[in-house]
Amino acid sequence: AQTVTQSQPEMSVQEAETVTLSCTYDTSESNYYLFWYKQPPSRQMILVIRQEAYKQQNATENRFSVNFQKAAKSFSLKISDSQLGDTAMYFCAFMKSQGGSEKLVFGKGTKLTVNP
Amino acid sequence: KAGVTQTPRYLIKTRGQQVTLSCSPISGHRSVSWYQQTPGQGLQFLFEYFSETQRNKGNFPGRFSGRQFSNSRSEMNVSTLELGDSALYLCASSSLFPGIQEKAFFGQGTRLTVV
Repeated sequence: AQTVTQSQPEMSVQEAETVTLSCTYDTSESNYYLFWYKQPPSRQMILVIRQEAYKQQNATENRFSVNFQKAAKSFSLKISDSQLGDTAMYFCAFMKSQGGSEKLVFGKGTKLTVNP
Repeated sequence: KAGVTQTPRYLIKTRGQQVTLSCSPISGHRSVSWYQQTPGQGLQFLFEYFSETQRNKGNFPGRFSGRQFSNSRSEMNVSTLELGDSALYLCASSSLFPGIQEKAFFGQGTRLTVV
């Protein structure tokens, strides 16, 4: 079974600074997808970024980028130029790429607060 | 393009009752997954439906069931409600094509409170 671990329950950062959220996972699969989701107080889960395990290049989406280390099973999220609207819970998630299932396995989340 | 719509947004039920939650996926999406979110257990996978067939099921008791209709809309049902069933229930839709994992898009959830 796959597991996802987020070791930082809470983090805070000053507006305009950079912050990195950590995520490690455990799997015996060779092909899979990794995701970061953001859940603001509205409770809407919003996809931040997606990484395919077979791609060596790290995914980027505007101010969001990942550091994907497949051998170490690590998938950290870097948020640059933090904004107040980035305040939210951030969840790291894993999905197998085989078997035709869309099942996501989530970590426990990291609560990020961006301070003015 | 309309997003994932979950109804109702809030529900209060009494122990022992049953409840049905609804999820309308993004147009064209054929996969609908359900998750339970609680402060203690976090986000846990309930089940997934694709083209009216259950493809995967999480580790929940048989009181939790679901189905998907031909228009891809899905319902989940919880019978004999327990206090521990109080949670945010999230629905996600994805997969335009079988076997290709698309990005999962979530609805705003249904907040169920069991008293």
